[in-house]
Amino acid sequence: EVQLLESGGGLVQPGGSLRLSCAASGFTFSSYAMSWVRQAPGKGLEWVSAITNSGGNTYYADSVKGRFTISRDNSKNTLYLQMNSLRAEDTAVYYCAKHTYSSGGADGFDIWGQGTMVTVSS
Amino acid sequence: DIQMTQSPSSVSASVGDRVTITCRASQGIAGWLAWYQQKPGKAPKFLIYAASSLQSGVPSRFSGSGSGTDFTLTISSLQPEDFATYYCQQAHSFPITFGQGTRLEIK
Repeated sequence: EVQLLESGGGLVQPGGSLRLSCAASGFTFSSYAMSWVRQAPGKGLEWVSAITNSGGNTYYADSVKGRFTISRDNSKNTLYLQMNSLRAEDTAVYYCAKHTYSSGGADGFDIWGQGTMVTVSS
Repeated sequence: DIQMTQSPSSVSASVGDRVTITCRASQGIAGWLAWYQQKPGKAPKFLIYAASSLQSGVPSRFSGSGSGTDFTLTISSLQPEDFATYYCQQAHSFPITFGQGTRLEIK
């Protein structure tokens, strides 16, 4: 079964850091680009970051550029999101998502994890 | 950045109705558009890619059309399980952007 399983969410103070993980199974992880997408409570979907299949190229939304870092370990079939200098507006459910066809470019997302909640509050 | 605008923001309809949701891109994206369905507390579900290609397992009452800047998602005969929020997403270029969502409610 194709599956993505996020972990690492929780409560963190403003200015703090958190690292999210996404464990992939059921497909050839190293063949596909991956993204993180977030959803603030009661709000719509916001793309956060993407990484090519090899990890050689990364892309970020302006709202997180310079604070978040996406990475992957293809030997462990795992995607990561290092989040630093967290702000209240980063509070959201964070989903990892598999790109449908592309190893590198913008794409639709055919597989989503269940999400992990990040709350930034003092 | 490419802005995606959906209309309406919400719609009320009855089981059996035909419903159309519109998505407009701020610049041409050819056919690089996806549609998702999301139910409360759940991850989005991939419905349609490349504007009109139905994903495996998605009922045929769902269809998509459009190219360039204007796209539509149509549900031909609403079923109880279709009441949800729908999002369009441009897959043309980074940053990837979503529409604000259309909430489909039971009348």
